[in-house]
Amino acid sequence: QVQLQESGPGLVKPSETLSLTCTVSGGSINSASYYWSWVRQPPGKGLEWIGYVYYTGSTNYNPSLKSRVTISVDTSKNQFSLKVISVTAADTAVYFCARDSVGSYSWFDPWGQGTLVTVSS
Amino acid sequence: DIQMTQSPSSLSASVGDRVTITCRASQRISSYLNWYQQKPGKAPKLLIYAASSLQSGVPSRFSGSGSGTDFTLTINSLQPEDFATYYCQQTYSTPRTFGQGTKVEIK
Repeated sequence: QVQLQESGPGLVKPSETLSLTCTVSGGSINSASYYWSWVRQPPGKGLEWIGYVYYTGSTNYNPSLKSRVTISVDTSKNQFSLKVISVTAADTAVYFCARDSVGSYSWFDPWGQGTLVTVSS
Repeated sequence: DIQMTQSPSSLSASVGDRVTITCRASQRISSYLNWYQQKPGKAPKLLIYAASSLQSGVPSRFSGSGSGTDFTLTINSLQPEDFATYYCQQTYSTPRTFGQGTKVEIK
């Protein structure tokens, strides 16, 4: 079955750029049936959708983060990536990648295991 | 943005109890409502999609209902493995938004 795995640095300095990659295995990212999303969860808090990318490269971002976020896709590597610029301590969170279905109804399944990113000097 | 409000924020229950969690949307979202279960240190797990459809592999003691603005997740006969935090999510529009979560604890 499809599995997702996040990777990237666990520690980022304030004002720098957070970069994460999600590798998809067991299925192709090059599918018209899915969006590929990023979600984050600050320690002890709830879930926040960051945005998604389609296999064509088109994107949709949460307006609360849109000015600082870029999500991209590399179909040759079956990966999609997240970049957040100018990070602060408020960006400290567990970051999850997830598959979001295209169509009349949509849901997030499966999810990656999540990776903790701490913003600190 | 569509705001999702869950109640209660937390509850205490015993094994075998019937538990009900509600989720209210700030505007009508038809049946574009999903429920997830999250255990500490783990990713959320899809339980219910499209308000009332049970995800494959999820025990039948979980059920969802509702449409429009008001939704319910019911757990019949709570089991030890069900103690977790539950989130609703709307996918009627972007940005996708989640409820604040309901923590189900052992009484």
